[in-house]
Amino acid sequence: DTGVSQDPRHKITKRGQNVTFRCDPISEHNRLYWYRQTLGQGPEFLTYFQNEAQLEKSRLLSDRFSAERPKGSFSTLEIQRTEQGDSAMYLCASSQRNFNYGYTFGSGTRLTVV
Amino acid sequence: KQEVTQIPAALSVPEGENLVLNCSFTDSAIYNLQWFRQDPGKGLTSLLLIQSSQREQTSGRLNASLDKSSGRSTLYIAASQPGDSATYLCAVKTGANNLFFGTGTRLTVIP
Repeated sequence: DTGVSQDPRHKITKRGQNVTFRCDPISEHNRLYWYRQTLGQGPEFLTYFQNEAQLEKSRLLSDRFSAERPKGSFSTLEIQRTEQGDSAMYLCASSQRNFNYGYTFGSGTRLTVV
Repeated sequence: KQEVTQIPAALSVPEGENLVLNCSFTDSAIYNLQWFRQDPGKGLTSLLLIQSSQREQTSGRLNASLDKSSGRSTLYIAASQPGDSATYLCAVKTGANNLFFGTGTRLTVIP
């Protein structure tokens, strides 16, 4: 087990294009979270899954954003019709079900929309 | 809504100094508090996790304390080294699905 993996590490895209990011959590973790972090700020919650069920979405997650976690394993985050304001670091984290466990974060995907 | 504040926003110290980073939160109904380290352009690395029932946790040169009733936590770094230079984030867990973060303290350790 090598921790939480995210791919790609960096993505540069033109405004209006669609992008998809992938996250592979720690295998025994059934909870998976997506966060967004802009420069100089702390990460902000986007959405979370327990197994394959998406249980909560933040108001930050507009209609252009969609996340999936088929079969409760890896997850994808898609942004459609990207805008310059979508430029940020997208972080994935996983944890075990017990509330007392901490989160393990991946290295993030840095998105730049030009 | 939980609000997390970290003071100072930036800190520069000479190598070898001991230092304290502060974190405060508005709602004391937390499950745990976690300190992370973030290097520029990188993800978050967990440093210490303190459960709501605990007062402190230690790992090597790091010691984190928690005073839940007053909504405060500190991260103590002993004998700082240039490799400790990074942004340190604290985060509190208040439910099943959310971790509230502060904006971090950017630490520079000068050789």
